[in-house]
Amino acid sequence: NAGVTQTPKFQVLKTGQSMTLQCAQDMNHNSMYWYRQDPGMGLRLIYYSASEGTTDKGEVPNGYNVSRLNKREFSLRLESAAPSQTSVYFCASRWTGLEKLFFGSGTQLSVL
Amino acid sequence: DAKTTQPNSMESNEEEPVHLPCNHSTISGTDYIHWYRQLPSQGPEYVIHGLTSNVNNRMASLAIAEDRKSSTLILHRATLRDAAVYYCILRGFFYKLSFGAGTTVTVRA
Repeated sequence: NAGVTQTPKFQVLKTGQSMTLQCAQDMNHNSMYWYRQDPGMGLRLIYYSASEGTTDKGEVPNGYNVSRLNKREFSLRLESAAPSQTSVYFCASRWTGLEKLFFGSGTQLSVL
Repeated sequence: DAKTTQPNSMESNEEEPVHLPCNHSTISGTDYIHWYRQLPSQGPEYVIHGLTSNVNNRMASLAIAEDRKSSTLILHRATLRDAAVYYCILRGFFYKLSFGAGTTVTVRA
């Protein structure tokens, strides 16, 4: 059981470049989430998907798009990266009806 | 969404209990109280949650005030591996957890 797997672990982009962060879970969870964590701060919700085929905005969705590809996978796309998007990105998943959220180990993204 | 207030940092000695307070005076009747912790360079990890009654699990205990405006996470015997940032979070209807700055716990050997 791998749990929540995020790829890549590290990435450096130049301003204006695009990229997709991948997240997959093998726990048959319905709900999936994307968070960002800036240095010394707590986590802020970017987008979430309550179930396959649905996505909703969180606190800080501007500059991001998401795709719930299937039940296992939830990707986060930066269309035109900006230095303000330098952060650590965490994916999480949850079985609907249970309170516990499972997190991946994060992707550290730097935008120069 | 209702907010929580936690101390920025706390220190403890190894094998002693740690009591982490959290104030949530604007909590609504249906908000769950969640605690997560984040070890250095890792994603957050679920610790415990509760609604009205005190809760115990293998990691910790959660004591909830009768008026639910505050709660306390209790680590019964702190170890060096418990050094982390602990987040107290209110879970509303749509399950959009919002993590504040948390409490940084330092454990002295």
